[in-house]
Amino acid sequence: GESVGLHLPTLSVQEGDNSIINCAYSNSASDYFIWYKQESGKGPQFIIDIRSNMDKRQGQRVTVLLNKTVKHLSLQIAATQPGDSAVYFCAENINSGGSNYKLTFGKGTLLTVNP
Amino acid sequence: DAGVTQSPTHLIKTRGQQVTLRCSPKSGHDTVSWYQQALGQGPQFIFQYYEEEERQRGNFPDRFSGHQFPNYSSELNVNALLLGDSALYLCASSSGFGRAFFGQGTRLTVV
Repeated sequence: GESVGLHLPTLSVQEGDNSIINCAYSNSASDYFIWYKQESGKGPQFIIDIRSNMDKRQGQRVTVLLNKTVKHLSLQIAATQPGDSAVYFCAENINSGGSNYKLTFGKGTLLTVNP
Repeated sequence: DAGVTQSPTHLIKTRGQQVTLRCSPKSGHDTVSWYQQALGQGPQFIFQYYEEEERQRGNFPDRFSGHQFPNYSSELNVNALLLGDSALYLCASSSGFGRAFFGQGTRLTVV
């Protein structure tokens, strides 16, 4: 089975509210985590990443939190906008010793922002 | 600077046929990975090419094969197509430990 899973398949929020999307992973050897946004008919778009030696990283309107103790990852989107409506995937990488990534994705969470 | 480009965007094939999908990586990237994304699912790793060799492979049968050219572009080949091969095929490029960028994908429909 997949080692990356999501707690909620759908999330509906009001415009302007903050959104929190959660993700659980099971492989303690994972060393790198990424959040992607995918709009209908498009490829995944990078949002933010975090390495396992960090527990928090902030970007523009987004924050990723990593809790290695419980193997949990979350994406926080501040002041959610209608353009944020999409499917959000977390992905993990296990460094097999070489460079680059073999990413394992979860099923995704559909975020709907209501005006 | 063009990002990752894939062709074709859509394709319809008949069961048993063979298909070739193409990917041009982002400028400066030397590694290409291919993913299969079934409807409503997350992308699944197929394989990764670096220096014209397959470096990593996911849990996909030998019907799935690939190639990387000296200019780092890549092809994904699928033989003996099955209905279950219908999916969005995504190409991602990267370099070293840099982040992976995805193309828009090729929507393959097998009928």
